[in-house]
Amino acid sequence: AQSVTQLGSHVSVSEGALVLLRCNYSSSVPPYLFWYVQYPNQGLQLLLKYTTGATLVKGINGFEAEFKKSETSFHLTKPSAHMSDAAEYFCAVRDDGGATNKLIFGTGTLLAVQP
Amino acid sequence: DAGVIQSPRHEVTEMGQEVTLRCKPISGHDYLFWYRQTMMRGLELLIYFNNNVPIDDSGMPEDRFSAKMPNASFSTLKIQPSEPRDSAVYFCASSLSGRGGNQPQHFGDGTRLSIL
Repeated sequence: AQSVTQLGSHVSVSEGALVLLRCNYSSSVPPYLFWYVQYPNQGLQLLLKYTTGATLVKGINGFEAEFKKSETSFHLTKPSAHMSDAAEYFCAVRDDGGATNKLIFGTGTLLAVQP
Repeated sequence: DAGVIQSPRHEVTEMGQEVTLRCKPISGHDYLFWYRQTMMRGLELLIYFNNNVPIDDSGMPEDRFSAKMPNASFSTLKIQPSEPRDSAVYFCASSLSGRGGNQPQHFGDGTRLSIL
């Protein structure tokens, strides 16, 4: 069965530092991968997605992620953290059980940005 | 463009009462999902619809929970009777069919439910 593992439920970085949030997946079919961000008291917002094509995907707010098939990873990065990046981040993979559009979500990583 | 609209944003009610949560998906989207989010269990998929038809309700916790989608622009999630352990944030999301699941889900801002 497919799954998503997000390493580190809490990550803390200093403002201006590199942000790296880790996501590993398992899937029996070519994966479609997504990163979402959730700000307090809001719903999940799509940051970026990988379906096919270029393995380095750029998203909103300066974030990007690279699909690495050999490592079954889809880590999220941002060169320089901003205070406004403090939020919870979720990685998700398309369900491969024949149910289109259903996503399997990771448990989330809470990002704190220190001044 | 209007996003997914959920109402109410907050609901506080007493144990045993009926609770109805409402969702208006993005126009043209043919998938609709209901999720529940808690600190303990994270984000859980409860049920989802395709073209107004329930496809998978295996995540619905108990018979006290029911969901309907009478038309393409409206869905409800009902809890009857409600219990304190139902307290959570409930999200609705919608998406286009796309090709093989390549379309993202768009989430509403959720309903924060507190059962006293």
